Amino acid sequence: SAVISQKPSRDICQRGTSLTIQCQVDSQVTMMFWYRQQPGQSLTLIATANQGSEATYESGFVIDKFPISRPNLTFSTLTVSNMSPEDSSIYLCSVSEVSNYEQYFGPGTRLTVT
Amino acid sequence: EDKVVQSPLSLVVHEGDTVTLNCSYEVTNFRSLLWYKQEKKAPTFLFMLTSSGIEKKSGRLSSILDKKELFSILNITATQTGDSAVYLCAVSHSGYALNFGKGTSLLVTP
Repeated sequence: SAVISQKPSRDICQRGTSLTIQCQVDSQVTMMFWYRQQPGQSLTLIATANQGSEATYESGFVIDKFPISRPNLTFSTLTVSNMSPEDSSIYLCSVSEVSNYEQYFGPGTRLTVT
Repeated sequence: EDKVVQSPLSLVVHEGDTVTLNCSYEVTNFRSLLWYKQEKKAPTFLFMLTSSGIEKKSGRLSSILDKKELFSILNITATQTGDSAVYLCAVSHSGYALNFGKGTSLLVTP
């Protein structure tokens, strides 16, 4: 399986600021996703990161709040904008190939907003 | 609306016990069901199931899917303290993205 890294691994931010999370994969992958896991909750899909085009967002998530870039097949960023304490979560990127449905997760970014 | 329901939500067992975790689902355009183990932040992939009745096995863990009754089970035999974690079930549908259940929190005591 692909090796996935995320930066930063954790951060503490003030409300009203923005944080960009990076996801790097050691090989080209077709599908990349961003998930959020709020405290005590399960994972919720934020969006599918599409290479060379706008991300596809799930209901309840908007581009202005969570802009996503995917300039190539090995890299993606998620920005959490104008943060509030409710954005405190673990943010995870994941990758999958269209040839199979196995999906692997990065190590996650633990974000705390004060 | 798509649903993935896991049971029990939490479980405490003694080392050496066998546990069975359940996952039922209602999704349109089902592709596959995946099991993950989450200890800290990142879910670790365990199994992916696409066909009914075919058991997947890895060491003391095994899993099977029933597409007629829309459920899967994850079995762990001879549990160890290192098996303590949250076990997540997720279903992949038409868009490849995953719809997760709330997880089962397993605690294995010495």
